[in-house]
Amino acid sequence: AIVLNQSPSSIIASQGEKVTITCRASSSISSNYLHWYQQKPGAFPKLVIYSTSYRASGVPSRFSGSGSGTSYSFTISRVEAEDVATYYCQQGSSNPYTFGAGTKLELK
Amino acid sequence: EVQLVESGGGLVQPGRSLKLSCAASGFTFSDYYMAWVRQAPTKGLEWVASISYDGGSTYYRDSVKGRFTISRDNAKSSLYLQMDSLRSEDTATYYCTSEDGPYYFDYWGQGVMVTVSS
Repeated sequence: AIVLNQSPSSIIASQGEKVTITCRASSSISSNYLHWYQQKPGAFPKLVIYSTSYRASGVPSRFSGSGSGTSYSFTISRVEAEDVATYYCQQGSSNPYTFGAGTKLELK
Repeated sequence: EVQLVESGGGLVQPGRSLKLSCAASGFTFSDYYMAWVRQAPTKGLEWVASISYDGGSTYYRDSVKGRFTISRDNAKSSLYLQMDSLRSEDTATYYCTSEDGPYYFDYWGQGVMVTVSS
């Protein structure tokens, strides 16, 4: 199975700050198959970025993604209070689909 | 508006069975692969099983293979997960999701809790 290592495991950021999360895969995957989700406390996950860099419907432009091969990143250009959540990367390149362990974003 | 509504969760003893259901609305159910993703308490997300458009192909993670069965009824826009020989490690919130494009999960239900304990 492809293991996804997310870092950091937690971030404390100020409103307006830029934050970046990294997701490293144990083997190379096509950028088409790397996706990101946001899970707010007590809620179900929500697709934010699919295929590395495409924003899902209704997702604000402050969210972006990039990467290739084994290294991917997810960025919030200016953190807002409503962005407090845990973020997960996920690969759909091979079965079993796997998720990263998550990055918890909190506000300072 | 897309809606996925899970039901059938609860407390069950180890070794017993439980069947989860998911009622879909607001999209053409038969146009989508569907999947179950679970989340143990305070833990991360874990893909469990997927099923093709017509139910002809199914996929499982190793830890549930032979114990869980995913199925669907396109006429009823419903997805199911039959869980047999349940173990304590199956305790989790189970999410019904639609699976699209390059294997990502775009619509999610609210989730249903399954607790396996004596």
